[in-house]
Amino acid sequence: AQSVTQPDIHITVSEGASLELRCNYSYGATPYLFWYVQSPGQGLQLLLKYFSGDTLVQGIKGFEAEFKRSQSSFNLRKPSVHWSDAAEYFCAVGGGATNKLIFGTGTLLAVQP
Amino acid sequence: NAGVTQTPKFQVLKTGQSMTLQCAQDMNHEYMSWYRQDPGMGLRLIHYSVGAGITDQGEVPNGYNVSRSTTEDFPLRLLSAAPSQTSVYFCASSFTGGGGYTFGSGTRLTVV
Repeated sequence: AQSVTQPDIHITVSEGASLELRCNYSYGATPYLFWYVQSPGQGLQLLLKYFSGDTLVQGIKGFEAEFKRSQSSFNLRKPSVHWSDAAEYFCAVGGGATNKLIFGTGTLLAVQP
Repeated sequence: NAGVTQTPKFQVLKTGQSMTLQCAQDMNHEYMSWYRQDPGMGLRLIHYSVGAGITDQGEVPNGYNVSRSTTEDFPLRLLSAAPSQTSVYFCASSFTGGGGYTFGSGTRLTVV
């Protein structure tokens, strides 16, 4: 069965510091993997996606993620965090004929000055 | 293009009432899904559809019905509202599996 684990519920980083948000997935075949961001009171915006090819993918707002099949991971990174990056981040896995998309429980990012 | 449009944005229901949350997309997307979002639980899939006339259950389908008579519309029906259905509901659509889903702005539902 599809599942996604985001082990960090809440992370605080200083502005300008680097960031890594963890995501582990379970999926029976080659997965489609996504990171979404949600600002307070808003909908979800797609940051980046992976479905084949280069395992390091670039997204919007300076984010990147690396797919590691051996570790079933798809961690999100950013070299220098800005105060506007404070939001909740969701990892999701999907694919197959149904294109069913399953989300993790999210990581809430706080950025301190 | 409007993208994914959800109505209403806010709704208060009494226990036992029924209602329909509307979702429409104008992108000719085949795949559509409904999620509920609760604090600490992420987004949980309620029902999904792979095309007009085809729907299936997600992770938390109990108490909800869906139908997909057209490509554009995917309404979610609450049959007899319960306080446990207080949540924020999101509708989403996708053209292909690898393209990711586009989300609506959500419906905040309170059941009292």
